Amino acid sequence: AQSVTQLDSQVPVFEEAPVELRCNYSSSVSVYLFWYVQYPNQGLQLLLKYLSGSTLVKGINGFEAEFNKSQTSFHLRKPSVHISDTAEYFCAVTRQRSGGYNKLIFGAGTRLAVHP
Amino acid sequence: DVKVTQSSRYLVKRTGEKVFLECVQDMDHENMFWYRQDPGLGLRLIYFSYDVKMKEKGDIPEGYSVSREKKERFSLILESASTNQTSMYLCASSSTPYEQYFGPGTRLTVT
Repeated sequence: AQSVTQLDSQVPVFEEAPVELRCNYSSSVSVYLFWYVQYPNQGLQLLLKYLSGSTLVKGINGFEAEFNKSQTSFHLRKPSVHISDTAEYFCAVTRQRSGGYNKLIFGAGTRLAVHP
Repeated sequence: DVKVTQSSRYLVKRTGEKVFLECVQDMDHENMFWYRQDPGLGLRLIYFSYDVKMKEKGDIPEGYSVSREKKERFSLILESASTNQTSMYLCASSSTPYEQYFGPGTRLTVT
């Protein structure tokens, strides 16, 4: 079975500062990794995903994440945040498979608060 | 553009009522999911369906049932609502193992 740990429940940061949201996972099989964002009163939107290949993954809105297999981590970063990045961020994992359905396992979420 | 819609954004029900939450997707996806979102717990899978009339229990199915009579529609049913089912409910759909598309959510309050 897979599990996900998001190491910070809340991250306050000033506008234009860099930010890192940390995510660790555990799994006995190969996995796909995801970051989703949830803006206030909205559903989840995919930010980026790691399926294979380059360990540095770029997503929407200037976010990127690095897959580190040895440390079983998938931390999310942005070099300069905006007020509009204030949202809740979820890390998720699913086992690799060639077809069929997938069960996503989510972390508890990290609330990013960007202050002026 | 990908679209998953949920029948209500906000719902208030009384304890013991039967509650129906509806989800519709327009992407012809085989797989559909119902999650429950609670602060500090992230999203937890209630039920999912990988084909019409097919369903599988997720991690927290107790107190819930589902129905999928048509490919585009997946319903979550609370047979007898209780206050501990007050939560945000999110529906999602997918056609691949590596991406799910989410609806806007239904915030259910049971009083």
